[in-house]
Amino acid sequence: DADVTQTPRNRITKTGKRIMLECSQTKGHDRMYWYRQDPGLGLRLIYYSFDVKDINKGEISDGYSVSRQAQAKFSLSLESAIPNQTALYFCATSDPFMTEAFFGQGTRLTVV
Amino acid sequence: GENVEQHPSTLSVQEGDSAVIKCTYSDSASNYFPWYKQELGKRPQLIIDIRSNVGEKKDQRIAVTLNKTAKHFSLHITETQPEDSAVYFCAASRPSNYQLIWGAGTKLIIKP
Repeated sequence: DADVTQTPRNRITKTGKRIMLECSQTKGHDRMYWYRQDPGLGLRLIYYSFDVKDINKGEISDGYSVSRQAQAKFSLSLESAIPNQTALYFCATSDPFMTEAFFGQGTRLTVV
Repeated sequence: GENVEQHPSTLSVQEGDSAVIKCTYSDSASNYFPWYKQELGKRPQLIIDIRSNVGEKKDQRIAVTLNKTAKHFSLHITETQPEDSAVYFCAASRPSNYQLIWGAGTKLIIKP
């Protein structure tokens, strides 16, 4: 299922480095999301975008920024990575009525 | 804001027995309640959902029940099988923005 594709799948980076995680989707949905998953904490919303011109902060946006380049593309940046940003990151997309959220395969990010 | 609590965090059941995972939500305006399954190393995927105008929904061995008065909903898995081992997430959303609020997840272990 390649409806939502994330790159890279795994990344190790050093503290202080800038890193970008990319997401593209072929579902044709306007809504896109970036989540962070830590063990025991479930899925926490970083940023979400309801369309190309509408970007909103989620519950844990500090230290992150996003760019919605097109309906199908939504990228997440860590301007200056720190070790506690080590986590599994998921991109997702849904239709406006949230009948189903489709997730990417995830990006495992390690900041050393 | 909206909060979703999920219990238990870990559930271990004998193969063939039933498993029940419970979630409570805080916003009485919530009207959509999906359940997602995340197998080890995989992305979360929707397995069943229910809307507030329905009290129960079944799909083969899985069912979801909703009690709007008490603001809680539950996932029931009968005749559990090894492939049911996964992390299960509940979520709730409200019609104002269809934003999903996630529970922390339940790790279901099926013992042979």
